[in-house]
Amino acid sequence: SQQGEEDPQALSIQEGENATMNCSYKTSINNLQWYRQNSGRGLVHLILIRSNEREKHSGRLRVTLDTSKKSSSLLITASRAADTASYFCATVLTSGSARQLTFGSGTQLTVLP
Amino acid sequence: EPEVTQTPSHQVTQMGQEVILRCVPISNHLYFYWYRQILGQKVEFLVSFYNNEISEKSEIFDDQFSVERPDGSNFTLKIRSTKLEDSAMYFCASMLGSSGTGELFFGEGSRLTVL
Repeated sequence: SQQGEEDPQALSIQEGENATMNCSYKTSINNLQWYRQNSGRGLVHLILIRSNEREKHSGRLRVTLDTSKKSSSLLITASRAADTASYFCATVLTSGSARQLTFGSGTQLTVLP
Repeated sequence: EPEVTQTPSHQVTQMGQEVILRCVPISNHLYFYWYRQILGQKVEFLVSFYNNEISEKSEIFDDQFSVERPDGSNFTLKIRSTKLEDSAMYFCASMLGSSGTGELFFGEGSRLTVL
C-alpha cells in the first residue's frame, strides 16, 4: 500500500502564481515533511509539520495538515522559475523505532518564466 | 553548513560485481539511512542504522545488501552481486536524533548503473 501519494503528479504554472500540491497518507503519523528535489540532485528538506499541528509557514511556503482526512497540502506563493523541481511529502509513522521517512511519488512542478 | 557527502557520484559496473557506496554523514548525527530512487520513480527506504546496528530495513534490503560504519565517520552500503535492477540513484541521509527536528539531511546521491 502507498503511504504517501501526491496530487497532482505534474503541475505547470506561470511565474508569480501560487502552486498547491496535496498529499494523502494511510496510517497514523508522528509528523509529515515536505522535500524538494531538483532534477538529478539530492532531496532538500523544506518544512516539517507535527501531527498535533494544523498549519505551518516558512517564507513563501505554507503547509496544512488534516489528520482526520489524512492529508496535507503544500502551498508555494508567488512562485519563481527557480521553484521548478519535484516536491515530495514524506511521513514518519507513529510506529517504528528509527523514524524512517516514507516518501510519496512526488509532484513535478514547472514554473514558466 | 554541514552536509552529507557521498562518493562516488556515478559508478558503472558489470552485473554480478560487488559495489560499495560511501557516505560521510553529518558529524554529530546519530541516525543514518540509505534510500534509493530508480529513474522516474519514488524514493524508497532501504535501511536505517542507529547505535552501530541496523534499526529497520525494507524488503528491498535483502541478503545482497549490507551496511557498515567502519570507522565512526564513514557509512557504507555494499551490494554483493549487482543485478540490472539495482541500477538507481542511492541516497544517504542522516538525522540528528531524538533531540532534533526529525529532519533528514540527504547527500547528493550516487548513481549506480549496472550493465
